[in-house]
Amino acid sequence: EADIYQTPRYLVIGTGKKITLECSQTMGHDKMYWYQQDPGMELHLIHYSYGVNSTEKGDLSSESTVSRIRTEHFPLTLESARPSHTSQYLCASSDPWMETQYFGPGTRLLVL
Amino acid sequence: SQKIEQNSEALNIQEGKTATLTCNYTNYSPAYLQWYRQDPGRGPVFLLLIRENEKEKRKERLKVTFDTTLKQSLFHITASQPADSATYLCALEASGSARQLTFGSGTQLTVLP
Repeated sequence: EADIYQTPRYLVIGTGKKITLECSQTMGHDKMYWYQQDPGMELHLIHYSYGVNSTEKGDLSSESTVSRIRTEHFPLTLESARPSHTSQYLCASSDPWMETQYFGPGTRLLVL
Repeated sequence: SQKIEQNSEALNIQEGKTATLTCNYTNYSPAYLQWYRQDPGRGPVFLLLIRENEKEKRKERLKVTFDTTLKQSLFHITASQPADSATYLCALEASGSARQLTFGSGTQLTVLP
């Protein structure tokens, strides 16, 4: 079982609210990722980081932002949530030698 | 454009049989290919990685093949069990892409008792 945690697991909020999805890992991995996944669909990379103070946008455009102030922590923020942001958000980190990714349990977001 | 295709239909098989899942790709030159398992409401879990210079990889009841000429990987589960029921994802990392993965949409496997 990978040591990567996401909170909250489920979130229901109203339009216009600011939210932060938390992701933490205890494996000391430099690389971390955020994916968005709709039911039955593929994962889309929305943000990634290769270390502290490094963040990049992924191949799927997203209105969210991320920060990486500490190695173990990679939060994602939506300044003003909209119904189109309803989805599952998955955080992952990767081992630099094995190139595999370890995923958290995900946050299922519903914006009303 | 780059594309990854997995069995579009869900796969139902009888317990004890071998399940074979397909991953085809176009416009990639992958350094390696990975297979993950995803259960409903959970994040994917890594299963196997196979490199471009490897033809086959095994792990317990799992076997992966990789044909860079056909641009295809096959994922086999032998002696399947109901606990193997899940969605299986293939993922590619193209050479020079800074170690990012692109995932297929997955194949939903159901093993019937």
